[in-house]
Amino acid sequence: DAKTTQPNSMESNEEEPVHLPCNHSTISGTDYIHWYRQLPSQGPEYVIHGLTSNVNNRMASLAIAEDRKSSTLILHRATLRDAAVYYCILGDSNYQLIWGAGTKLIIKP
Amino acid sequence: DGGITQSPKYLFRKEGQNVTLSCEQNLNHDAMYWYRQDPGQGLRLIYYSQIVNDFQKGDIAEGYSVSREKKESFPLTVTSAQKNPTAFYLCASSMWTENTGELFFGEGSRLTVL
Repeated sequence: DAKTTQPNSMESNEEEPVHLPCNHSTISGTDYIHWYRQLPSQGPEYVIHGLTSNVNNRMASLAIAEDRKSSTLILHRATLRDAAVYYCILGDSNYQLIWGAGTKLIIKP
Repeated sequence: DGGITQSPKYLFRKEGQNVTLSCEQNLNHDAMYWYRQDPGQGLRLIYYSQIVNDFQKGDIAEGYSVSREKKESFPLTVTSAQKNPTAFYLCASSMWTENTGELFFGEGSRLTVL
């Protein structure tokens, strides 16, 4: 099963951009890269997903390396509400997603 | 509002008792899932269902059972055979399992076995 490597935690200042890295050197050709985030004692929330090309939505941008062995989630202007655990997950179908421990993002006011 | 409702939010049970966690969705999604989350860990898939009256085991199905008699409902029973049932349980749905689109999650149910 394809797995990802993320830093345990990161800190950022409010109103600044945040770049959350994810390494996935064993990614297969059909694996999508998914990002979810989770607040304490709540269910995860979908952020973004992509296959090969960079993706943008109202919440974030996903930058995917050309060889697909790494990706970066970009929050363009962090707010205190963005403080959460961010999960980078691989899979070509929802029932095959492997969830790691994620990155705890701390936003400093 | 469309979404997923899990109940109860908190549940305490004695060892050896079966408990059933409720999950209802009004998103008209075909696929539903149950996950378990332990402190500081990611989610692990218990069971999933792609269609009414059909469900499949996930990675940690032992000690759990499910049913899918209605499209909207996917209850999870934690049986006495589950050796370490204390955990945070999350239900999710999506349009269908083969699609890699968005998973929608409920607020979770926290089960504590005394």
